[in-house]
Amino acid sequence: GQQLNQSPQSMFIQEGEDVSMNCTSSSIFNTWLWYKQDPGEGPVLLIALYKAGELTSNGRLTAQFGITRKDSFLNISASIPSDVGIYFCAGPLVFGKGTRLSVIA
Amino acid sequence: KAGVTQTPRYLIKTRGQQVTLSCSPISGHRSVSWYQQTPGQGLQFLFEYFSETQRNKGNFPGRFSGRQFSNSRSEMNVSTLELGDSALYLCASSVVVALGSGANVLTFGAGSRLTVL
Repeated sequence: GQQLNQSPQSMFIQEGEDVSMNCTSSSIFNTWLWYKQDPGEGPVLLIALYKAGELTSNGRLTAQFGITRKDSFLNISASIPSDVGIYFCAGPLVFGKGTRLSVIA
Repeated sequence: KAGVTQTPRYLIKTRGQQVTLSCSPISGHRSVSWYQQTPGQGLQFLFEYFSETQRNKGNFPGRFSGRQFSNSRSEMNVSTLELGDSALYLCASSVVVALGSGANVLTFGAGSRLTVL
């Protein structure tokens, strides 16, 4: 089946730093979704991307739909403690394994 | 607007037993999908239901089954439990854009954490 390769697996950063993570697919996608999961909760949608090359922002979060339609990127600027959690990219019925973000105050 | 409700939140079973998990979707959402989350494998797709019919199925053995009722509520069942079935089982509902499509934005419940001893 389809697989998404998400990297990095985990990140430890200082509060205020910027964060980048990415996701690649072996197949072409028409949509990329990014979710965040807080401890003890289900994932929550952050950003949805529907068009190759699209760059979409949600507050301090910015995500891009790669031109090849096989990759996507998520950036978080000026990280804060509440950014801690697991970030997932998602395509049709498939999720990346997640990037676990830890923020050191 | 109530979110996706999953019950029970936590349960402990022993090997060989069976378990049934329940999911109530957001009102108006007719699609329900189930995912298994483990530390090693991440989120893995189990099934997708729409209009009481299973529309898509992930790569899981037949011990994993599900169903959807006319009010869109869904249940999943795991029979003959194995230690490896210990996981967080997440249910998600969506307003369907296209079945099996990545365009379906999922709203997840908090999950049912199953521990098999």
